[in-house]
Amino acid sequence: ETGVTQSPTHLIKTRGQQVTLRCSSQSGHNTVSWYQQALGQGPQFIFQYYREEENGRGNFPPRFSGLQFPNYSSELNVNALELDDSALYLCASSASSGQTYNEQFFGPGTRLTVL
Amino acid sequence: GESVGLHLPTLSVQEGDNSIINCAYSNSASDYFIWYKQESGKGPQFIIDIRSNMDKRQGQRVTVLLNKTVKHLSLQIAATQPGDSAVYFCAENGNNRLAFGKGNQVVVIP
Repeated sequence: ETGVTQSPTHLIKTRGQQVTLRCSSQSGHNTVSWYQQALGQGPQFIFQYYREEENGRGNFPPRFSGLQFPNYSSELNVNALELDDSALYLCASSASSGQTYNEQFFGPGTRLTVL
Repeated sequence: GESVGLHLPTLSVQEGDNSIINCAYSNSASDYFIWYKQESGKGPQFIIDIRSNMDKRQGQRVTVLLNKTVKHLSLQIAATQPGDSAVYFCAENGNNRLAFGKGNQVVVIP
């Protein structure tokens, strides 16, 4: 176990709804990255948060947004859900040390199904 | 749990044999390359990483080889065990964000 927790474990929504996923980072980690993993695919980078600000974004539309809180936990919000948003959403935390690479520790993910 | 390895290339290996998993990467500027293991219903688990200025790194029962000339990465698992059954992803790092490959499923036959 990595110490990264995510909630909820599973979630079912309908098209057009909004969803909020939550992540608690490993103790001592100040950076949280979010990834989307479609079935049978590798995880795709959504965005990263460092010190409560977005610190890089992948190729995802603005309806994917996030927050990071002072305790370094994070939320991923998705508005106007589409069927293709159905996926496993992974959160990874790391300890930023000014280097360009820090090992990322993944949580178990939230399985989102959009009907 | 749900299958992570749907429609992925699959390597079937006898317990006790060695496994080799291959990966091609795309970005010459990536500074680190990482192998992750993902079991059904779980998040990716770090196995081993290698810096771009190295060509080989060994861990416990695992070895990663990096060939920058052909942009190729491989993971060797020695004496494969049933617990090694999973989907394996290579990932390349650029500015602390990971770009994952599609993945390879390893099935260990007892």
